[in-house]
Amino acid sequence: DTAVSQTPKYLVTQMGNDKSIKCEQNLGHDTMYWYKQDSKKFLKIMFSYNNKELIINETVPNRFSPKSPDKAHLNLHINSLELGDSAVYFCASRLAGGTGELFFGEGSRLTVL
Amino acid sequence: AQSVTQLDSHVSVSEGTPVLLRCNYSSSYSPSLFWYVQHPNKGLQLLLKYTSAATLVKGINGFEAEFKKSETSFHLTKPSAHMSDAAEYFCVVSEGSGGGADGLTFGKGTHLIIQP
Repeated sequence: DTAVSQTPKYLVTQMGNDKSIKCEQNLGHDTMYWYKQDSKKFLKIMFSYNNKELIINETVPNRFSPKSPDKAHLNLHINSLELGDSAVYFCASRLAGGTGELFFGEGSRLTVL
Repeated sequence: AQSVTQLDSHVSVSEGTPVLLRCNYSSSYSPSLFWYVQHPNKGLQLLLKYTSAATLVKGINGFEAEFKKSETSFHLTKPSAHMSDAAEYFCVVSEGSGGGADGLTFGKGTHLIIQP
């Protein structure tokens, strides 16, 4: 079984559209994250959810909104897509508050035309 | 505040020769340190982690790293490179609290190239 799964793996869309990426983890972790990886492979934290509560919201445009229906799921919704949103988005999870490692999904490559 | 510096953006070695990927960190606390590998079009996979136990840490695929507090380093090594080691490698420091993103800070990555 895949520990952290995200869908879709690839997403191609037009500027101005709205899209969502889904993430699920079956590890029983308390904290889930969304990261954005740019073309230079640099990873930037976007959001962190701990037991369904947003605990970190970095300087991300409000067009991006995380939604967590339960602690095993953290979806990412993006409104009014822009060219600069093209990137690979990674979902990850870990046990809250400790020094445990992150478990990553395979990534969702978003291309905005 | 914590930070991570991966000293080389690209490293190229010949197959069968040793690999050294360098990582320096700064931390106000006793940190945990991790190395992740990312193969093309894949997610990040944990190679190894240091969490205040033995300073020499062995990971998967023959990789190991040594935590040196006096040098604030956590360099990743492998005695003999294999073609399948070609990937992006990330050094990560975690204080458990403070810092950004629940105490996790990522390095900018080192791209490892293996020459046949």
